[in-house]
Amino acid sequence: TQLLEQSPQFLSIQEGENLTVYCNSSSVFSSLQWYRQEPGEGPVLLVTVVTGGEVKKLKRLTFQFGDARKDSSLHITAAQPGDTGLYLCALWGGSNYKLTFGKGTLLTVNP
Amino acid sequence: DAGITQSPRHKVTETGTPVTLRCHQTENHRYMYWYRQDPGHGLRLIHYSYGVKDTDKGEVSDGYSVSRSKTEDFLLTLESATSSQTSVYFCAISDLGNLPSTYEQYFGPGTRLTVT
Repeated sequence: TQLLEQSPQFLSIQEGENLTVYCNSSSVFSSLQWYRQEPGEGPVLLVTVVTGGEVKKLKRLTFQFGDARKDSSLHITAAQPGDTGLYLCALWGGSNYKLTFGKGTLLTVNP
Repeated sequence: DAGITQSPRHKVTETGTPVTLRCHQTENHRYMYWYRQDPGHGLRLIHYSYGVKDTDKGEVSDGYSVSRSKTEDFLLTLESATSSQTSVYFCAISDLGNLPSTYEQYFGPGTRLTVT
């Protein structure tokens, strides 16, 4: 069973600061997804990364897939209160059609 | 937004009573899932379905059963609710995404269940 470790578990910052959160796997994975969950709602898919070394940008969010395909990071530039939420990384179990989630990083951006 | 609804959205029930949660989708996606989310444990898969009448267990399936008689509906039943099943329950659907051999998962709004 592949395990996903996310760090930090909690992060509280001021508006305008930059931050990076991490997702690490115990083994190589073929693709990884990042989701954001706002309070009281279900997770929403942000991005899928599939290629080692890949970098994807979504406005102020930058996602990177490690060269060894065992880790990923999410960097947010100039964080805003609207970025507050739980950030989850997840990977698919191949042919089992099951998604395994990390426990998430709970981000709070204070005005 | 993906067309996924869950009902009820909130429920309080007593220990030992049966409870059924419903998930309904309008996207015609093949795969449907039930998760529970608890502090310190994250999202954990209870059961999933890969087609009508085709279901399989997830990592925390004890005490839960599911049924899928139509593509659009996936029911989660707690036969005899216990306090340990107090949680927020999310339904999700998935199908092939835009990238080759990748799937994208979409979540419903959740059901908050309290077992007293």
